[in-house]
This record gives sequence, C-alpha cells and structure tokens, in this order.
Amino acid sequence: DAGVTQSPTHLIKTRGQQVTLRCSPKSGHDTVSWYQQALGQGPQFIFQYYEEEERQRGNFPDRFSGHQFPNYSSELNVNALLLGDSALYLCASRRGSEAFFGQGTRLTVV
Amino acid sequence: GIQVEQSPPDLILQEGANSTLRCNFSDSVNNLQWFHQNPWGQLINLFYIPSGTKQNGRLSATTVATERYSLLYISSSQTTDSGVYFCAASNSGNTPLVFGKGTRLSVIA
Repeated sequence: DAGVTQSPTHLIKTRGQQVTLRCSPKSGHDTVSWYQQALGQGPQFIFQYYEEEERQRGNFPDRFSGHQFPNYSSELNVNALLLGDSALYLCASRRGSEAFFGQGTRLTVV
Repeated sequence: GIQVEQSPPDLILQEGANSTLRCNFSDSVNNLQWFHQNPWGQLINLFYIPSGTKQNGRLSATTVATERYSLLYISSSQTTDSGVYFCAASNSGNTPLVFGKGTRLSVIA
C-alpha cells in the first residue's frame, strides 16, 4: 500500500513565477490537506479539500490555490512567488481522524 | 482555534537515557498525534492518541484529555531517535491539525 506521495521532491523557482505541486493520497483516503513549513518552524495549515471542494483555509493569501481531482489527488498552486514562499510543502491525507503525510516538496525561490 | 504548545524546545541526551516530551493544548481534542520529522523532512506517524496510553517498542504516549496534555516517552534513547518531534491536535472532525513548534532532540553517543 503506497503512502502519500508528493512530486516533485525539490524545486527551484524565480521570484514572480508560478509553481504547481502535486499530491497523491494514501489509498482509501478522501481528504487532502496542505501545509507550509518554514525552516525551524512547525507546519502551518494552508487549506483542506474534500469532495473536490476547498473546505477549510488557513491564513494564506489568494496567491495560494488548490484543486482536488475525482481520484482524490490534489494540486497546490502558488502564483507570483515571493522569496518568503521558500519552504517545505507537506501534503496530508486522511479518512476519518488520523492524518498521514507525504515526504514533502522543498521549494526554493531565488 | 486550538493552540498547541510543546516543551522543552530543545533536548540533548546521552545515548541510553530516557526522556519525556510534553504537549499542552488549549481545548478539548478529538485528534492528537505525535510525529517524528526525519532529516529529509518527512513526518513519521508515531501515535494517534486523543486519549489513553499506547506503547510501541521503546516509545510510549499518554494523553490526559481532561487536563489537556499529552506526554511522549522515549526510553533507552538511540542516536537514530534524533530529530524533531511534533505534537498536533484538532478539536472537531473536519478541522485540520494544528502543530506545536516541536521539540528538537539530539542523542549523542
């Protein structure tokens, strides 16, 4: 049983560009959440998707958007990248209460 | 929303020593999880423990929901236990996990 998988694992983008990160949830999981983790900090909640709709959103600007597909996989899009968007982006999936995380995508904005 | 606080922020242990990590939360919870973040950034599930006590090898955890805290015990620590330990909680079925700032554990040989 594959766990949560994310792609790519590393990414370097230039300030002002746009980026798309991808997440495939654990088998049987229908809810996907995205988190941003800055260096030395705990993960911060960005948003959560269930039944292809954004259900909850954290304190992040509209530059951060997402999508969930019928197979429950998800994308995180960030527009107009800022240097401060450099972070580890984590995807979590669950069915019920317990959440499982992918290995993350490390985004560097230069 | 719920707030999660972890202590201590940093911990240095000699190999073989025992340790206790604490997590305080500000509201009742329906989900409480402990994670170990490996050097590559992945969060490894240690325990799903909204209440009660669980054990897995050298690790055990206890959550006292009525007093709003959880403890993670590491016995006979090994250098491979080094890393950051996170506690995360949520207080209703659909709300996302809120993370503490973590405890950075360093086990030295």
